[in-house]
Amino acid sequence: SQQGEEDPQALSIQEGENATMNCSYKTSINNLQWYRQNSGRGLVHLILIRSNEREKHSGRLRVTLDTSKKSSSLLITASRAADTASYFCATVTGTASKLTFGTGTRLQVTL
Amino acid sequence: DAGITQSPRHKVTETGTPVTLRCHQTENHRYMYWYRQDPGHGLRLIHYSYGVKDTDKGEVSDGYSVSRSKTEDFLLTLESATSSQTSVYFCAISGATGGGSGANVLTFGAGSRLTVL
Repeated sequence: SQQGEEDPQALSIQEGENATMNCSYKTSINNLQWYRQNSGRGLVHLILIRSNEREKHSGRLRVTLDTSKKSSSLLITASRAADTASYFCATVTGTASKLTFGTGTRLQVTL
Repeated sequence: DAGITQSPRHKVTETGTPVTLRCHQTENHRYMYWYRQDPGHGLRLIHYSYGVKDTDKGEVSDGYSVSRSKTEDFLLTLESATSSQTSVYFCAISGATGGGSGANVLTFGAGSRLTVL
């Protein structure tokens, strides 16, 4: 079963707007990561947030983590057409050396 | 996708035939993973390896086997392919786990698209 579930499944915005996507998970985590996947390509790591952190920034990306609600959000500010992609959250739990991925949010940024 | 290559990139086969997908890395990373990606399911872990000859099952391992005889190669085998195994298969590698700054961060290959007729 999926550990992470992203919301919304699809998002369409105009260039320059902010994009927010959410991830909910079921069990306690060590860290949560966000990945991007361009059409027909492999996933690319964007950002990692640990369970004891509440917010991380990387360029135009802002990630928050609320462990009490078992949820995370990814904010992309000032979106560009090149941000068009699918975005996945992934969680690491316990001592496992494996990531469990959610089903993804498909972001479309139009000019 | 530097440092990790998958082969073949595309394959069409018939039900009942064996298929082997290869993942090759030049990063000397300890951990290697095979995921499959299907619409509506995201990525699901098939098998992973935490060292030479050390492998473990993921959540969708039935019908798949793996082998890792060298650090750089991780093979995924479908002993008798079925139509339900039509998918895009991704290999990923990771150099570190635990509490370090690179903990469990994966680098993915470009994917192998398998069609079972």
